[in-house]
Amino acid sequence: SAVISQKPSRDICQRGTSLTIQCQVDSQVTMMFWYRQQPGQSLTLIATANQGSEATYESGFVIDKFPISRPNLTFSTLTVSNMSPEDSSIYLCSVTGTGVYEQYFGPGTRLTVT
Amino acid sequence: ELKVEQNPLFLSMQEGKNYTIYCNYSTTSDRLYWYRQDPGKSLESLFVLLSNGAVKQEGRLMASLDTKARLSTLHITAAVHDLSATYFCAVENSGGSNYKLTFGKGTLLTVNP
Repeated sequence: SAVISQKPSRDICQRGTSLTIQCQVDSQVTMMFWYRQQPGQSLTLIATANQGSEATYESGFVIDKFPISRPNLTFSTLTVSNMSPEDSSIYLCSVTGTGVYEQYFGPGTRLTVT
Repeated sequence: ELKVEQNPLFLSMQEGKNYTIYCNYSTTSDRLYWYRQDPGKSLESLFVLLSNGAVKQEGRLMASLDTKARLSTLHITAAVHDLSATYFCAVENSGGSNYKLTFGKGTLLTVNP
């Protein structure tokens, strides 16, 4: 199984600022995803991070708010821009490989916006 | 749009009892995942069910998948306190191998002594 690390593990940010979250995997993976888990809620897919090209966003999420980079097969970043208290959530990256049919989740980044 | 419904959302059990969590989904999919989440932690993969009739067991947990009924169950046998956690089912969106998951709302399981 893949070992995934995320930085930071948690942060408290002020309204209107931006935070970039990093996701690092210990092996090359085909697919990387970013999910959001709002307090007490389930997980919602934000976007698929595509290596070398623009991310694919789900309905309700836009690039201006959640820009994503994936420069190689082991690393991705998610930026939460112009934050508001409604962005307070846990942000998780997940990874899988072609034909693997297992999805592994990182430890998450707990974001609080004040 | 794929919708995933779990029930119950809250489950309080006594140790030693059996119970089942249900996961229904709205559109065709051949892959279903069960995860466990402890408070303040990330998701731990429990089972991946890849085909109709698939059954997997690990310890006191057994998961099954009926793709025709669009139903998966997670059965808990002789519950123990260590099983207390939130359990999520997630269904892979159909339409190619895109691996995108739609999650149920989760079942908060509390096992009481």
